[in-house]
Amino acid sequence: AQSVTQLDSHVSVSEGTPVLLRCNYSSSYSPSLFWYVQHPNKGLQLLLKYTSAATLVKGINGFEAEFKKSETSFHLTKPSAHMSDAAEYFCVVMDSSYKLIFGSGTRLLVRP
Amino acid sequence: DADVTQTPRNRITKTGKRIMLECSQTKGHDRMYWYRQDPGLGLRLIYYSFDVKDINKGEISDGYSVSRQAQAKFSLSLESAIPNQTALYFCATSGPGSYNEQFFGPGTRLTVL
Repeated sequence: AQSVTQLDSHVSVSEGTPVLLRCNYSSSYSPSLFWYVQHPNKGLQLLLKYTSAATLVKGINGFEAEFKKSETSFHLTKPSAHMSDAAEYFCVVMDSSYKLIFGSGTRLLVRP
Repeated sequence: DADVTQTPRNRITKTGKRIMLECSQTKGHDRMYWYRQDPGLGLRLIYYSFDVKDINKGEISDGYSVSRQAQAKFSLSLESAIPNQTALYFCATSGPGSYNEQFFGPGTRLTVL
């Protein structure tokens, strides 16, 4: 069965410093992986998705993620955090029936 | 206008009441989903539908039912609400295939007293 584990429930960074949100996945086959973001009192928005075309995936708002099969990881990064990046981030894997399985989420705090 | 709309956006009800949450989409997608979000648990799938005649249980369907009235409409019902159904509920839609993202509605915050 497919699953994802987000290694940090909270991450705090200063504005202008790099962001790293960690995600490990478990899958018996080459997975489809996604990162979604949820801003306070809003729905979820897709940041980026991995579809096996390239291991380094670029998303919106300067975020990117690298698929590492040997480490079963799909960590989300951004070179320089902005105050508007404060939100909750979900790592997601798609199962064999096209259903999404969500991680428990990482809340990103950005300090001025 | 939003592609995926949910009504109501907020609802407070009492234990034992019947509640219906509605979802409509204008994206022309066949696939629709209902999730609930609880703090620290991410989103969990309640029901999903791949077309009008296809309804499937998700991870946590007990206590819920759904109706797919049309391609664009998918309703979630709580026949007899209980306090542990207090949560944020999201509807989502997607196109076919394994790489198509799901588009989410703004959510319905339900409180059961």
